[in-house]
Amino acid sequence: EIVLTQSPATLSLSPGERATLSCRASQSVSTDLAWYQQKPGQAPRLLIYDASNRATGIPARFSGSGSGADFTLTISSLEPEDFAVYYCQQRTNWRMYSFGQGTKLEIK
Amino acid sequence: QVQLQESGPGLVKPSQTLSLTCTVSGGSINSGAYYWSWIRQHPGKGLEWIGYIYYSGSTHYNPSLQSRVTMSVDTSKNQFSLKLTSVTAADTAVYYCARDVIREVMFDYWGQGTLVTVSS
Repeated sequence: EIVLTQSPATLSLSPGERATLSCRASQSVSTDLAWYQQKPGQAPRLLIYDASNRATGIPARFSGSGSGADFTLTISSLEPEDFAVYYCQQRTNWRMYSFGQGTKLEIK
Repeated sequence: QVQLQESGPGLVKPSQTLSLTCTVSGGSINSGAYYWSWIRQHPGKGLEWIGYIYYSGSTHYNPSLQSRVTMSVDTSKNQFSLKLTSVTAADTAVYYCARDVIREVMFDYWGQGTLVTVSS
């Protein structure tokens, strides 16, 4: 089983600041990684797929990078609506899926 | 616009079977481009993939739940379903259905989720 470890667990920033969220896999997943945003009481929303591709309708301030075992989600300038929990997710070649434990992005 | 909607009982007794259905609208479940997944989230916790079903009926389950999970599909109704047997309080969670794009790594559409509580 591939374990995804996200850091930090909580990130406290102010609107306008840059956010950098990390996701580390216990073994290489190539670029088979996605990022989601979840707000309270809502389903997760796809942000990034295949490590670096923005999903339809996602603002350009969101970007993903990385390959192998280390990945980063960057929000270039935080808007008030960006404060939420973010999850990374991987899929192995034999189609097993796992999610990271999440990073809570809160207003400082 | 594709939409997914979960339905089923919100309360299940311990040792009984949890049954949920996901209705897909705005797109056909018959498309060979997607798997149809169930994912759950324990209260205040992270996300756990339960398994998926293809329109043909082939399935793939999380090994940790495999002995208790059965998924089925009804293409005539554009629905797919989840059964989880012998439930305990540890199965209390919000259950989501989601569309899994085969050629990419993404769950691109999700249902709103339904809370299932296991309690006597």
